[in-house]
Amino acid sequence: KAGVTQTPRYLIKTRGQQVTLSCSPISGHRSVSWYQQTPGQGLQFLFEYFSETQRNKGNFPGRFSGRQFSNSRSEMNVSTLELGDSALYLCASSFRDIYGYTFGSGTRLTVV
Amino acid sequence: AQTVTQSQPEMSVQEAETVTLSCTYDTSESDYYLFWYKQPPSRQMILVIRQEAYKQQNATENRFSVNFQKAAKSFSLKISDSQLGDAAMYFCAYRSKGSQGNLIFGKGTKLSVKP
Repeated sequence: KAGVTQTPRYLIKTRGQQVTLSCSPISGHRSVSWYQQTPGQGLQFLFEYFSETQRNKGNFPGRFSGRQFSNSRSEMNVSTLELGDSALYLCASSFRDIYGYTFGSGTRLTVV
Repeated sequence: AQTVTQSQPEMSVQEAETVTLSCTYDTSESDYYLFWYKQPPSRQMILVIRQEAYKQQNATENRFSVNFQKAAKSFSLKISDSQLGDAAMYFCAYRSKGSQGNLIFGKGTKLSVKP
């Protein structure tokens, strides 16, 4: 069974640009969550999608947005990139929340 | 708001020995879930063990077990017979029953295993 796949693995962008990250969940998982991981703030929840609907959202500015497609694949978009957006972005999928979440290997975003 | 605290930034254990990682959390809720995740240098977070708050029995998964003290809001992870492959960052996480997808993580404990 394939795991959670995140693409790309690494990304370098310039301040002011926008970026789109992709996450393909495990087959059958309809819940997809996104997290930002930085050395200073640790792991912070961005948002969660289930059946194409955002069910939960963390405390991030509106520059951070996401969506989920009918096949449960999810994308995350960050507009007007800032240096502080440099981070590891992790995606996690779940069949049922209580069973825990399976994470991908993340996308390392560097903003220069 | 709920918070998760891991008071040990780094720990070290000898191979084959036992080590316990600490985690405390703050919540006013009575029903929630707790998790321990492992993050090796490969970056992928791996679920080690989970506990449902309404279950008093401590969860175990092979060499990994937890000591869940609900009244004390403590959720420690015990790793028995430590192996070199156990070296990683370990994160404790909390999730409210009604908060889908929102895991609240501690800052992590870096575990080193000495041969």
